[in-house]
Amino acid sequence: DGGITQSPKYLFRKEGQNVTLSCEQNLNHDAMYWYRQDPGQGLRLIYYSQIVNDFQKGDIAEGYSVSREKKESFPLTVTSAQKNPTAFYLCASTAQRGVRNTEAFFGQGTRLTVV
Amino acid sequence: ILNVEQSPQSLHVQEGDSTNFTCSFPSSNFYALHWYRWETAKSPEALFVMTLNGDEKKKGRISATLNTKEGYSYLYIKGSQPEDSATYLCAFENPQFYFGTGTSLTVIP
Repeated sequence: DGGITQSPKYLFRKEGQNVTLSCEQNLNHDAMYWYRQDPGQGLRLIYYSQIVNDFQKGDIAEGYSVSREKKESFPLTVTSAQKNPTAFYLCASTAQRGVRNTEAFFGQGTRLTVV
Repeated sequence: ILNVEQSPQSLHVQEGDSTNFTCSFPSSNFYALHWYRWETAKSPEALFVMTLNGDEKKKGRISATLNTKEGYSYLYIKGSQPEDSATYLCAFENPQFYFGTGTSLTVIP
């Protein structure tokens, strides 16, 4: 079945360490996104990519980095510069960014806890 | 960052009751309004993508309306069932997606 796979589901990180969250899609979608969810807040955009080898900062990109070397993969690295990394991270994709009437598909999320 | 508001924040209804939620969004630079259903431990799933003022969409017992001029959308569930229990998210697209905080619905058998 086509979909988005995020791994791992739960992740624990020590302060000062970088950690990479995986997001893979087999929907042949051009655009991929990373969102962060904190209690009482809506999903906020960290980074997005419209095409391979291209990505753009979202509203809260500081302390994060991404790559898009393959169409199906969009890993997110939470660096030690991210001051408050404990959160729920959700990956999504759309066929193309900015095309109306196109729904987003989501992974199941990764819950990151800094210990 | 644009403001998308959903109300109520949470809702408990009895099985068989009908219910509705509201999503408010900016009335300018509108691309589309999305509704997603998010069950615990699962991925959000698309319910509706609405693009035209006055749009009404229906899927089974769930329907939605859209008013882009005044910046709101309503989601209706007729005859709620326990399996309708979930968080219902709306997202305003312009073309970035801006999400509300969701309405958590619990249907009590």
